[in-house]
Amino acid sequence: TQLLEQSPQFLSIQEGENLTVYCNSSSVFSSLQWYRQEPGEGPVLLVTVVTGGEVKKLKRLTFQFGDARKDSSLHITAAQPGDTGLYLCAYAGGTSYGKLTFGQGTILTVHP
Amino acid sequence: DTAVSQTPKYLVTQMGNDKSIKCEQNLGHDTMYWYKQDSKKFLKIMFSYNNKELIINETVPNRFSPKSPDKAHLNLHINSLELGDSAVYFCASSQIGSGYTFGSGTRLTVV
Repeated sequence: TQLLEQSPQFLSIQEGENLTVYCNSSSVFSSLQWYRQEPGEGPVLLVTVVTGGEVKKLKRLTFQFGDARKDSSLHITAAQPGDTGLYLCAYAGGTSYGKLTFGQGTILTVHP
Repeated sequence: DTAVSQTPKYLVTQMGNDKSIKCEQNLGHDTMYWYKQDSKKFLKIMFSYNNKELIINETVPNRFSPKSPDKAHLNLHINSLELGDSAVYFCASSQIGSGYTFGSGTRLTVV
């Protein structure tokens, strides 16, 4: 069983559309991280959410941490082809050498 | 440039061969990792080293042996390669307050 369930697995949309990616769990987390991975590259950290109910914005990307700290969402407004990539949520262990446990990822394709 | 760099980028080899992947970070991080990404894009940790000491070994076959000569380097040696080892391998490093930084990956293809 996956600790982090991401949905949807695949998302194919037209430029200008809005979308939301979900990361759900039955466990409570001290924080969750979101990464974007482009083809041929490693994941790049977008944001870390720490406080229940927290909302963070990164340009057209809005990240929310659930009140109970069991889930998170990523909303993209007016998607652009440059947003295409694999979006991953992850939970980090409590220490500096805590492993990252990833969700299955959402492959987003934005068509011009 | 400050980064996590790993070599080679691509590796094609025959079954049964032994190969190594090298990783170096110049971020001053104490902890380094190897992750494996399968064909479905699922990323899973293999090993973690903190200041040259093995911290995490996630049920990885003995054919995989990491080595950390110093805290800036973490290499991965694989013996007797099998078809199922084909994947993309990512090196990463982390430090409290700095988050995780990944290398750009090594695509290993075993034929």
